[in-house]
Order: sequence, then structure tokens, then C-alpha cells
Amino acid sequence: TQLLEQSPQFLSIQEGENLTVYCNSSSVFSSLQWYRQEPGEGPVLLVTVVTGGEVKKLKRLTFQFGDARKDSSLHITAAQTGDTGLYLCAGISPGGGADGLTFGKGTHLIIQP
Amino acid sequence: DAGITQSPRHKVTETGTPVTLRCHQTENHRYMYWYRQDPGHGLRLIHYSYGVKDTDKGEVSDGYSVSRSKTEDFLLTLESATSSQTSVYFCAISAPPYNEQFFGPGTRLTVL
Repeated sequence: TQLLEQSPQFLSIQEGENLTVYCNSSSVFSSLQWYRQEPGEGPVLLVTVVTGGEVKKLKRLTFQFGDARKDSSLHITAAQTGDTGLYLCAGISPGGGADGLTFGKGTHLIIQP
Repeated sequence: DAGITQSPRHKVTETGTPVTLRCHQTENHRYMYWYRQDPGHGLRLIHYSYGVKDTDKGEVSDGYSVSRSKTEDFLLTLESATSSQTSVYFCAISAPPYNEQFFGPGTRLTVL
């Protein structure tokens, strides 16, 4: 079973600060996705990274896929209270079929005003 | 908005009773999934479907069954609910080529 470890598990910072959260595995993934989940709602897809070393930007959010496709990071610049939520990473194993998505347990992010 | 609805949104039931949760999609997607989400465990796959009448087990399928008689509907049944099945249940559809998941709003189930 492929595992995705997310760190930190919890993070609370002040509005305006920068932060990075991590998603790590000992296994290779053919692609990796990041989701954000707000209380009482389902996760919402933020981005998919496919190529090793790939960097994608979504406004103040920067996502990077590791060169070896075993890890990923999410960096938020100048965090805002609206960034509060549970951030989940999920990966597809090489050759994975319809059941091939593995989820990490998530990072709970709180941005204090 | 991926056009996925779940019903009911909240349910309280007693141990030993049968429970059926419904997921409905308007996107005509082939693949549908049922997950449960629990503190400390994250999202875990219960069952999934890759077409009408085609289903398979996920990581935590014991105590659950599913049915898909139409493309748009995927039902999750707890034949005899137990307290360990108290959870938030999410339905999802996926889009190729990277199996990106689009989730419904969830059903909060409490088994007393």
C-alpha cells in the first residue's frame, strides 16, 4: 500500500505570513493532486501536477512536484483568512486504475486575522 | 460545480438498522466512488464503480454494499449499521486522464 505523509498535521499562523506544507512518500506517483476542504463541505481540487520538477502557481499558491515524483509541496504567500482549511494531497500510482488514488491525512491550516 | 448531490445530508440511526445513502450526478461520468472521512484516518475508499452494474471493493468495504443501476446514481448501503460506521460519507466522480476527484457535499451519519 502506498502511503502519503503530510506535514505538518496542524499549522496556525497570522494573516500575511508565508507557509509551506509537505506531502511525502517513499513511492513514486505518476501524478499528484492537491485539494482544499472547508468545514462541512467536500474536498475541492486545487491542482494536478504530473511531471517531475513541475511547478504550478494558482494566485498566491505555488505547488511543486519533486524531481523523483515522490513528494510535493504547497507554498502560500501572504496567507489570508480565506486560506483556512484542510489541505489534502492525493496521488496516483504508476499503472493505477480507477482505484489508484491514495490520499494523505491532510494539513489543518488556520490563518488568524 | 460538478453536479453531484448526496442524500440525506444528515442522518441519525440506531445500531442494527439498514441505511442507504444516495449519490446522484448530472455529469454522465463513468467512475463513481464512496469514501468515508474520519479524524486521524483521512479519506478512505469504501467502494467504487466503473460503470452500470460494475463495482469493486475499496480499502474499507466490510459492512458496506453498493449498487449502480443507472449511470447517474450510486447507492451505498449499510445492511446493519454499527457505531463504528458513524462517519462523514463522501461521494465522488472522477475525470480522466488523472482520475481527478470531484466530491459531493457529504452525508454525516451517526449510529447510536
